[in-house]
Amino acid sequence: LAKTTQPISMDSYEGQEVNITCSHNNIATNDYITWYQQFPSQGPRFIIQGYKTKVTNEVASLFIPADRKSSTLSLPRVSLSDTAVYYCLVGEGEAAGNKLTFGGGTRVLVKP
Amino acid sequence: NAGVTQTPKFQVLKTGQSMTLQCAQDMNHEYMSWYRQDPGMGLRLIHYSVGAGITDQGEVPNGYNVSRSTTEDFPLRLLSAAPSQTSVYFCASSYSGTVYTEAFFGQGTRLTVV
Repeated sequence: LAKTTQPISMDSYEGQEVNITCSHNNIATNDYITWYQQFPSQGPRFIIQGYKTKVTNEVASLFIPADRKSSTLSLPRVSLSDTAVYYCLVGEGEAAGNKLTFGGGTRVLVKP
Repeated sequence: NAGVTQTPKFQVLKTGQSMTLQCAQDMNHEYMSWYRQDPGMGLRLIHYSVGAGITDQGEVPNGYNVSRSTTEDFPLRLLSAAPSQTSVYFCASSYSGTVYTEAFFGQGTRLTVV
């Protein structure tokens, strides 16, 4: 499974856009990139998944360059409730859902 | 729709005791997994199952047993609790046979071994 590197923490303010970049230099051809969000005392929650280019849903956007060695999760106009830990995961789509490999994540603090 | 349900939410054990953490899902998912999360760290995979009757070890399986007799249930057994097993335990389930694999997590069981 590809190893991922992401910043330990980020601070932001309400209404700003937050971009978290994840490095995965040894990503394999069959690997997908998935992001999870975890609030204190809760289990992780799926945010978004992609393979290449750009993916957008009602919560976030995921930007993946052509070489796929990194990806950026973009959270538009964050609110205080977006304060959480965000995890970038890389693995084969079907297998990844069953055997997730979590790194340390990025702790995002949204300030008023 | 309950999703993934874990019981109990909190548990204190004495060293050497055994117990079973329960996990049930009502989404008819083939895949189920157990993870532990230590303070300030990401989740680590303990055991996983790709279907009823099939289980395999993850990254940190020592001291834990699992079985999968039904699609819905995936209990995690601590054989002889040790203080090093103090952690928060999460159960997850997901579909199989699909490209987009969203894993659904339970609310966790906070276990303290004294």
